[in-house]
Amino acid sequence: DAGVIQSPRHEVTEMGQEVTLRCKPISGHNSLFWYRQTMMRGLELLIYFNNNVPIDDSGMPEDRFSAKMPNASFSTLKIQPSEPRDSAVYFCASSLGTVNSPLHFGNGTRLTVT
Amino acid sequence: KNEVEQSPQNLTAQEGEFITINCSYSVGISALHWLQQHPGGGIVSLFMLSSGKKKHGRLIATINIQEKHSSLHITASHPRDSAVYICAVSPTQGGSEKLVFGKGTKLTVNP
Repeated sequence: DAGVIQSPRHEVTEMGQEVTLRCKPISGHNSLFWYRQTMMRGLELLIYFNNNVPIDDSGMPEDRFSAKMPNASFSTLKIQPSEPRDSAVYFCASSLGTVNSPLHFGNGTRLTVT
Repeated sequence: KNEVEQSPQNLTAQEGEFITINCSYSVGISALHWLQQHPGGGIVSLFMLSSGKKKHGRLIATINIQEKHSSLHITASHPRDSAVYICAVSPTQGGSEKLVFGKGTKLTVNP
């Protein structure tokens, strides 16, 4: 099992540019989560999907953020336009989606917006 | 006030010492998770528990639902245990999949 795969590992971009983060969940997992981690706020849930359908996007900070899950094996988180305050580590995680099933995290994407 | 509070924020220990990290929460939960984040950044789920105690190797996690409190213990600590340990809860309100996280406890174990 390859685990949750995120790309890129690091992204450095200039303010105003579009950023796309990618995630491949573990095969067979029905739930997919996008988290953001900063020093100030720790880990925060941005959005989660169940069976490819967005269930709760209340954590998405602004309209500049959007997420899609076109199929069970792929999800994207897009920021357009990016701002310096978006600099953070973005984690994708997946789970079986049953009650209290454990989360499996990807290695994260470290985003720096200058 | 955060719904999940961890203490201490930082902890330094000598190799071999017994470590305790505490987590208190203020909401009703269906489960509590302990996660480990290594300096490289990856996050690993250590335990998920809703009652009693679980043990895995040198790690022990306990939870007291009535007191809304959990502890993570590390016996015979080793430098490779150096990491950030994060407590997270699955609230019964709002969906158990929406984990609420503590800010983490940074553990450094010196040789």
